[in-house]
Amino acid sequence: EDQVTQSPEALRLQEGESSSLNCSYTVSGLRGLFWYRQDPGKGPEFLFTLYSAGEEKEKERLKATLTKKESFLHITAPKPEDSATYLCAVRSTGFQKLVFGTGTRLLVSP
Amino acid sequence: NAGVTQTPKFQVLKTGQSMTLQCAQDMNHNSMYWYRQDPGMGLRLIYYSASEGTTDKGEVPNGYNVSRLNKREFSLRLESAAPSQTSVYFCASSEVGGVEAFFGQGTRLTVV
Repeated sequence: EDQVTQSPEALRLQEGESSSLNCSYTVSGLRGLFWYRQDPGKGPEFLFTLYSAGEEKEKERLKATLTKKESFLHITAPKPEDSATYLCAVRSTGFQKLVFGTGTRLLVSP
Repeated sequence: NAGVTQTPKFQVLKTGQSMTLQCAQDMNHNSMYWYRQDPGMGLRLIYYSASEGTTDKGEVPNGYNVSRLNKREFSLRLESAAPSQTSVYFCASSEVGGVEAFFGQGTRLTVV
Protein backbone atom coordinates (compact mmCIF):
# COMPACT_ATOMS: atom_id res chain seq x y z
CA GLU A 1 0.00 0.00 0.00
CA ASP A 2 1.28 3.45 -0.90
CA GLN A 3 2.23 5.57 2.10
CA VAL A 4 3.44 9.12 2.67
CA THR A 5 4.91 10.44 5.92
CA GLN A 6 5.75 14.08 6.43
CA SER A 7 7.97 15.63 9.08
CA PRO A 8 8.01 17.68 11.12
CA GLU A 9 4.31 18.12 11.85
CA ALA A 10 4.89 21.78 12.62
CA LEU A 11 7.80 24.13 12.10
CA ARG A 12 8.29 27.64 13.35
CA LEU A 13 10.94 29.80 11.67
CA GLN A 14 12.11 33.35 11.92
CA GLU A 15 11.97 35.39 8.75
CA GLY A 16 15.12 34.64 6.75
CA GLU A 17 15.84 31.37 8.59
CA SER A 18 16.15 28.66 5.92
CA SER A 19 14.99 25.09 6.57
CA SER A 20 13.69 21.92 4.93
CA LEU A 21 10.52 19.86 5.11
CA ASN A 22 10.68 16.11 4.62
CA CYS A 23 8.37 13.73 2.80
CA SER A 24 9.14 10.00 3.01
CA TYR A 25 7.21 7.69 0.75
CA THR A 26 6.69 4.06 -0.18
CA VAL A 27 5.01 3.35 -3.48
CA SER A 28 4.83 0.37 -5.80
CA GLY A 29 5.89 2.40 -8.81
CA LEU A 30 6.24 6.17 -8.68
CA ARG A 31 4.36 8.06 -11.32
CA GLY A 32 4.80 11.40 -9.62
CA LEU A 33 5.44 13.12 -6.29
CA PHE A 34 3.63 16.36 -5.62
CA TRP A 35 3.95 19.31 -3.30
CA TYR A 36 0.95 21.45 -2.47
CA ARG A 37 0.51 24.53 -0.33
CA GLN A 38 -2.68 24.92 1.68
CA ASP A 39 -3.74 28.14 3.39
CA PRO A 40 -6.34 28.04 6.18
CA GLY A 41 -9.86 27.65 4.81
CA LYS A 42 -8.62 27.10 1.27
CA GLY A 43 -8.05 24.17 -1.04
CA PRO A 44 -4.57 22.78 -1.75
CA GLU A 45 -2.65 24.82 -4.30
CA PHE A 46 -0.35 22.88 -6.62
CA LEU A 47 3.35 23.75 -6.37
CA PHE A 48 5.54 21.07 -7.97
CA THR A 49 5.60 17.65 -9.59
CA LEU A 50 8.73 15.49 -9.43
CA TYR A 51 8.96 12.37 -11.52
CA SER A 52 12.31 10.68 -10.90
CA ALA A 53 15.15 10.55 -8.40
CA GLY A 54 17.58 13.41 -8.80
CA GLU A 55 15.02 15.79 -10.17
CA GLU A 56 14.73 19.30 -8.70
CA LYS A 57 12.18 22.06 -9.19
CA GLU A 58 12.29 25.67 -7.97
CA LYS A 59 9.77 28.42 -7.48
CA GLU A 60 10.74 31.65 -5.77
CA ARG A 61 12.03 30.69 -2.30
CA LEU A 62 11.00 27.03 -2.63
CA LYS A 63 13.04 24.18 -4.03
CA ALA A 64 11.83 20.58 -4.17
CA THR A 65 14.16 17.61 -4.54
CA LEU A 66 13.52 13.89 -4.92
CA THR A 67 15.36 10.68 -4.04
CA LYS A 68 14.12 7.10 -4.31
CA LYS A 69 12.69 7.20 -0.80
CA GLU A 70 12.01 10.83 0.08
CA SER A 71 11.52 14.35 -1.07
CA PHE A 72 12.58 17.60 0.52
CA LEU A 73 11.03 21.02 0.24
CA HIS A 74 13.75 23.54 0.94
CA ILE A 75 12.66 27.02 1.96
CA THR A 76 15.34 29.67 1.55
CA ALA A 77 15.07 32.94 3.47
CA PRO A 78 11.35 32.48 4.17
CA LYS A 79 8.95 35.37 4.58
CA PRO A 80 5.79 35.51 6.72
CA GLU A 81 3.68 35.01 3.59
CA ASP A 82 5.23 31.55 3.23
CA SER A 83 3.30 30.48 6.34
CA ALA A 84 0.95 27.67 5.33
CA THR A 85 0.55 23.92 5.51
CA TYR A 86 2.65 22.08 2.94
CA LEU A 87 1.30 18.79 1.68
CA CYS A 88 3.15 16.01 -0.07
CA ALA A 89 1.40 13.38 -2.21
CA VAL A 90 2.33 10.50 -4.49
CA ARG A 91 0.65 8.85 -7.42
CA SER A 92 1.66 5.33 -8.32
CA THR A 93 1.65 3.83 -11.78
CA GLY A 94 -1.67 2.34 -12.75
CA PHE A 95 -3.64 4.17 -10.09
CA GLN A 96 -5.72 7.28 -10.39
CA LYS A 97 -5.61 8.38 -6.80
CA LEU A 98 -3.20 10.65 -5.02
CA VAL A 99 -2.06 9.50 -1.58
CA PHE A 100 -1.40 12.41 0.75
CA GLY A 101 0.70 12.91 3.84
CA THR A 102 -0.75 14.78 6.80
CA GLY A 103 1.27 17.90 6.06
CA THR A 104 3.74 20.23 7.75
CA ARG A 105 2.37 23.43 9.26
CA LEU A 106 4.90 26.18 8.68
CA LEU A 107 4.80 29.44 10.59
CA VAL A 108 7.28 32.17 9.67
CA SER A 109 7.52 35.01 12.16
CA PRO A 110 8.71 38.50 11.19
CA ASN B 1 -10.80 30.97 -15.49
CA ALA B 2 -12.52 29.67 -12.34
CA GLY B 3 -10.79 26.25 -12.21
CA VAL B 4 -12.69 23.95 -9.82
CA THR B 5 -15.82 25.38 -8.19
CA GLN B 6 -17.60 23.77 -5.25
CA THR B 7 -20.97 24.59 -3.75
CA PRO B 8 -21.94 25.17 -1.04
CA LYS B 9 -18.96 26.47 0.93
CA PHE B 10 -20.53 25.75 4.31
CA GLN B 11 -23.35 23.45 5.40
CA VAL B 12 -24.85 22.25 8.67
CA LEU B 13 -26.97 19.09 8.58
CA LYS B 14 -28.89 17.17 11.16
CA THR B 15 -28.17 13.47 11.56
CA GLY B 16 -30.17 11.55 8.96
CA GLN B 17 -30.61 14.41 6.53
CA SER B 18 -29.39 14.12 2.97
CA MET B 19 -27.57 16.56 0.75
CA THR B 20 -25.56 16.81 -2.45
CA LEU B 21 -22.25 18.60 -2.81
CA GLN B 22 -21.72 20.06 -6.24
CA CYS B 23 -18.45 20.36 -8.15
CA ALA B 24 -17.74 21.79 -11.59
CA GLN B 25 -14.47 22.32 -13.45
CA ASP B 26 -13.77 24.42 -16.52
CA MET B 27 -10.32 23.03 -17.40
CA ASN B 28 -11.65 20.32 -19.73
CA HIS B 29 -10.17 17.66 -17.47
CA ASN B 30 -11.27 14.06 -17.84
CA SER B 31 -10.70 12.88 -14.26
CA MET B 32 -12.43 14.18 -11.14
CA TYR B 33 -12.14 13.30 -7.46
CA TRP B 34 -13.77 13.79 -4.10
CA TYR B 35 -11.58 13.93 -1.00
CA ARG B 36 -12.30 14.55 2.64
CA GLN B 37 -9.85 16.22 4.99
CA ASP B 38 -9.88 15.59 8.72
CA PRO B 39 -7.41 16.80 11.36
CA GLY B 40 -4.44 14.46 11.64
CA MET B 41 -5.72 12.23 8.82
CA GLY B 42 -4.65 14.04 5.70
CA LEU B 43 -6.71 14.05 2.54
CA ARG B 44 -8.48 10.76 1.86
CA LEU B 45 -10.07 9.78 -1.41
CA ILE B 46 -13.81 9.05 -1.27
CA TYR B 47 -14.65 8.43 -4.94
CA TYR B 48 -13.15 9.27 -8.27
CA SER B 49 -14.19 9.35 -11.90
CA ALA B 50 -11.41 8.57 -14.33
CA SER B 51 -13.49 9.76 -17.26
CA GLU B 52 -17.05 10.70 -18.09
CA GLY B 53 -19.36 7.77 -17.48
CA THR B 54 -17.14 5.95 -14.97
CA THR B 55 -16.88 6.13 -11.20
CA ASP B 56 -14.83 4.11 -8.72
CA LYS B 57 -14.54 3.81 -4.97
CA GLY B 58 -11.62 5.31 -3.17
CA GLU B 59 -10.33 4.76 0.32
CA VAL B 60 -13.41 5.82 2.33
CA PRO B 61 -16.57 5.41 0.19
CA ASN B 62 -19.04 4.18 2.81
CA GLY B 63 -22.01 6.49 3.28
CA TYR B 64 -21.47 8.33 0.02
CA ASN B 65 -22.61 8.14 -3.57
CA VAL B 66 -21.40 10.04 -6.60
CA SER B 67 -22.66 11.05 -10.02
CA ARG B 68 -20.57 12.14 -12.98
CA LEU B 69 -23.22 14.27 -14.60
CA ASN B 70 -21.09 15.26 -17.60
CA LYS B 71 -17.45 16.02 -18.27
CA ARG B 72 -17.59 19.21 -16.18
CA GLU B 73 -19.63 18.13 -13.17
CA PHE B 74 -19.12 15.57 -10.43
CA SER B 75 -21.46 15.51 -7.43
CA LEU B 76 -21.17 13.82 -4.04
CA ARG B 77 -24.30 12.73 -2.18
CA LEU B 78 -24.77 11.92 1.47
CA GLU B 79 -27.98 9.91 1.73
CA SER B 80 -28.26 9.85 5.52
CA ALA B 81 -25.71 12.11 7.16
CA ALA B 82 -23.88 10.96 10.28
CA PRO B 83 -21.70 12.96 12.71
CA SER B 84 -18.68 10.96 11.45
CA GLN B 85 -19.14 12.70 8.11
CA THR B 86 -18.34 16.08 9.63
CA SER B 87 -15.34 17.12 7.57
CA VAL B 88 -14.04 19.43 4.88
CA TYR B 89 -14.74 18.05 1.42
CA PHE B 90 -12.60 18.86 -1.58
CA CYS B 91 -13.26 18.23 -5.22
CA ALA B 92 -10.33 17.99 -7.62
CA SER B 93 -9.73 17.38 -11.30
CA SER B 94 -6.86 16.30 -13.54
CA GLU B 95 -6.10 15.20 -17.06
CA VAL B 96 -6.62 11.48 -17.47
CA GLY B 97 -3.06 11.05 -18.64
CA GLY B 98 -1.78 13.81 -16.47
CA VAL B 99 -0.52 13.68 -12.99
CA GLU B 100 -1.25 16.89 -11.12
CA ALA B 101 -4.66 17.42 -9.57
CA PHE B 102 -6.22 20.85 -9.05
CA PHE B 103 -8.49 21.45 -6.10
CA GLY B 104 -11.56 23.49 -5.33
CA GLN B 105 -11.92 25.68 -2.26
CA GLY B 106 -13.74 23.07 -0.22
CA THR B 107 -17.08 22.54 1.49
CA ARG B 108 -17.07 22.60 5.27
CA LEU B 109 -19.78 20.22 6.45
CA THR B 110 -20.96 19.83 10.02
CA VAL B 111 -23.40 17.07 10.97
CA VAL B 112 -25.07 17.55 14.35
